[in-house]
Amino acid sequence: DQQVKQNSPSLSVQEGRISILNCDYTNSMFDYFLWYKKYPAEGPTFLISISSIKDKNEDGRFTVFLNKSAKHLSLHIVPSQPGDSAVYFCAASGTQGGSEKLVFGKGTKLTVNP
Amino acid sequence: DTGVSQDPRHKITKRGQNVTFRCDPISEHNRLYWYRQTLGQGPEFLTYFQNEAQLEKSRLLSDRFSAERPKGSFSTLEIQRTEQGDSAMYLCASSLARGRWTEAFFGQGTRLTVV
Repeated sequence: DQQVKQNSPSLSVQEGRISILNCDYTNSMFDYFLWYKKYPAEGPTFLISISSIKDKNEDGRFTVFLNKSAKHLSLHIVPSQPGDSAVYFCAASGTQGGSEKLVFGKGTKLTVNP
Repeated sequence: DTGVSQDPRHKITKRGQNVTFRCDPISEHNRLYWYRQTLGQGPEFLTYFQNEAQLEKSRLLSDRFSAERPKGSFSTLEIQRTEQGDSAMYLCASSLARGRWTEAFFGQGTRLTVV
């Protein structure tokens, strides 16, 4: 049972345009959401997070939006740069339930073309 | 470099052998996690520690797997009688528990190949 779903395995955008990566979750106990970026042969790198008390969090070129009623979040990267090419993982945790583990989606491979 | 450190980076072992991986978390972090990642999948939770206490274990962690964090600092993950299905990237992460929400920082992983 996939509690965190990233339905697009890949996404290709042009440099300078916006990249939008989507993530859906099913567990209503999740209250903290994170995005990680992963290059081949490296561990995931933390990018940005959002708690359930917010609907938007911004950090430079990266913005995460949370729609709790739809159980949906998205990561916007603008403008996209070739160095953003990587696999992006959405993760969620449910601290209210007492579990500190992160549940990850399967990832979306982003390719930013020069 | 004060990030999460994992050793070794790569391990090739024969089926049936035991292997042990080490993780050194960021020094002030009190939580330490182990995850496993296979091709095309996201990281899957295995277990986590708060200080030296192992607080949660996934059912993925069969009795061939054991993890320790004896002094609340570094951690080891041992796999006994390895099987080909154990081939994966083993990731360690750490975080500082403060308040309700905290991000975890990952090491570069140990890639295990069982032949």
